[in-house]
Amino acid sequence: EAGVTQSPTHLIKTRGQQATLRCSPISGHTSVYWYQQALGLGLQFLLWYDEGEERNRGNFPPRFSGRQFPNYSSELNVNALELEDSALYLCASSLGGTTTDTQYFGPGTRLTVL
Amino acid sequence: EDQVTQSPEALRLQEGESSSLNCSYTVSGLRGLFWYRQDPGKGPEFLFTLYSAGEEKEKERLKATLTKKESFLHITAPKPEDSATYLCAASYQAGTALIFGKGTTLSVSS
Repeated sequence: EAGVTQSPTHLIKTRGQQATLRCSPISGHTSVYWYQQALGLGLQFLLWYDEGEERNRGNFPPRFSGRQFPNYSSELNVNALELEDSALYLCASSLGGTTTDTQYFGPGTRLTVL
Repeated sequence: EDQVTQSPEALRLQEGESSSLNCSYTVSGLRGLFWYRQDPGKGPEFLFTLYSAGEEKEKERLKATLTKKESFLHITAPKPEDSATYLCAASYQAGTALIFGKGTTLSVSS
């Protein structure tokens, strides 16, 4: 069974540009979560989508946004990139939207902002 | 504010030297406690989920336990390939995402 996939693996942008990151969940999973892991910091929760709806968002500015498509894949958009947005962005999926469902992570997208 | 604290931050072991990693969490309202392993530059790999105090789960050289206020990840006779960062995460009320600790970086030398 294929795991969570993310693309691209690496992304290099300059300050002020926009970045789009993509995630495909495990087949049968309806919930997708996005996390940011900056150097020296733990995983910080960004966004949670379930059944196409945004269910919750973490303490990040509105320039971090996303969506979930009918096939449950998801996209994370970061507008007006800042240097401190450089991080590993991780996507996870789970069977449903309950907090006891195990989240399975993808390999991540390394975003570098110059 | 719900918190998850892991200790130690870093642990160096000799091959075969058993030890334990600690994860302390905000007790009130815990719904599940998760352990993950993360290799450098990669996504976390799921290891265990624990739901209630007294629960234990094992996988190869790893055993996770949960008490009323903390969780332990015991590593028995570790090998160099066990070197990684081990992350603990807690889930609380419905509608919230996992809260992660900062992790314990384990280095096992032969």
